[in-house]
Amino acid sequence: DAGVIQSPRHEVTEMGQEVTLRCKPISGHDYLFWYRQTMMRGLELLIYFNNNVPIDDSGMPEDRFSAKMPNASFSTLKIQPSEPRDSAVYFCASSLASTMNEQFFGPGTRLTVL
Amino acid sequence: SQQGEEDPQALSIQEGENATMNCSYKTSINNLQWYRQNSGRGLVHLILIRSNEREKHSGRLRVTLDTSKKSSSLLITASRAADTASYFCATRAAGNKLTFGGGTRVLVKP
Repeated sequence: DAGVIQSPRHEVTEMGQEVTLRCKPISGHDYLFWYRQTMMRGLELLIYFNNNVPIDDSGMPEDRFSAKMPNASFSTLKIQPSEPRDSAVYFCASSLASTMNEQFFGPGTRLTVL
Repeated sequence: SQQGEEDPQALSIQEGENATMNCSYKTSINNLQWYRQNSGRGLVHLILIRSNEREKHSGRLRVTLDTSKKSSSLLITASRAADTASYFCATRAAGNKLTFGGGTRVLVKP
């Protein structure tokens, strides 16, 4: 099992540019989560999907952020336009449909917005 | 605000010693989970304890849960250099959201 796959692993961009982060969850998992981790705010849940449907996007900071899950094996998190304060590590995680089960995290994408 | 708050924020111990960290939370939960994060990596699930459980063991890990005090502790016995990492508690209330605490950074010196 390859685990959760994220790309790119590192992204450096300039303010105002569009950024797209990608995630492939573990096959068979029906929940997918996007998190953001910073020193100041810790690990924050941005949005999560169940069976490709967004369930809770209350953590999405602004309209500049959007997430999609067109199928069970792929999700994107887009920031447009990006700002320096968006610099963080973005994690994708997946889990099975149970309130008890663990979440499996990807390696993260380190985003730097100059 | 974060549901779980870890204490201490950082911990430095010698290899072979035990490491204890605590987590406090604010609302009722279904379960509490502990995760480890090595530098530059994603989080890895360590152990889950349900709200009706008081103690759980997994290898060198021991977790306790006191729902009356809304607190949990993670004990790592006979620590190793490879245990150097950040440790996070995460609480699950209704639904499938996990709320993570700020983490405890553990340094195990050889």
